[in-house]
Amino acid sequence: KQEVTQIPAALSVPEGENLVLNCSFTDSAIYNLQWFRQDPGKGLTSLLLIQSSQREQTSGRLNASLDKSSGRSTLYIAASQPGDSATYLCAVRRKNSGGSNYKLTFGKGTLLTVNP
Amino acid sequence: EAGVAQSPRYKIIEKRQSVAFWCNPISGHATLYWYQQILGQGPKLLIQFQNNGVVDDSQLPKDRFSAERLKGVDSTLKIQPAKLEDSAVYLCASSLARGTYNEQFFGPGTRLTVL
Repeated sequence: KQEVTQIPAALSVPEGENLVLNCSFTDSAIYNLQWFRQDPGKGLTSLLLIQSSQREQTSGRLNASLDKSSGRSTLYIAASQPGDSATYLCAVRRKNSGGSNYKLTFGKGTLLTVNP
Repeated sequence: EAGVAQSPRYKIIEKRQSVAFWCNPISGHATLYWYQQILGQGPKLLIQFQNNGVVDDSQLPKDRFSAERLKGVDSTLKIQPAKLEDSAVYLCASSLARGTYNEQFFGPGTRLTVL
């Protein structure tokens, strides 16, 4: 059974700081990994998707890396801003037990607070 | 492009009552998902539809939860009767298809409180 762990559970940083969020997963047989952002009372917004054959993806101030063999991914946020405050969720996609479908398994998320 | 719509946004009921949630996916999206997100947890897949057929309902508590997707578009998720532990945000998502490269788009969710 795939398990996804995110560390830390919560993080508070001053504005302008660079930061790293960590995600680990127990089964390395994944197809891709996705980072989401969730604002209070809102749904999930996809930030970055890394295919299993890729090592990293970048979008603006965000950079996500993937080390599939060790079961780890990091989300790097450069020059953090108060608007980055949200919960960041990591999810891995793999085939279900029947092999007929692909399933997302989420971590519990990291609650990020960026203080002005 | 309109996003995934859900209603109601909030619902408060007493235990043993019934409740229903509605989801309208993005136009043209064949695959629809219902997730349950308990406070402090990541979303957990309850049921996945491909058009109007069920693809995966392995984690749906079928003794009290039911879902349907008539005509392969809108979907409803029902809980009958509700328990205290059903308090959560219920998220609906949709994607063009169910392959690995098809991104899921999420709605704003329905926050359910069971008293």
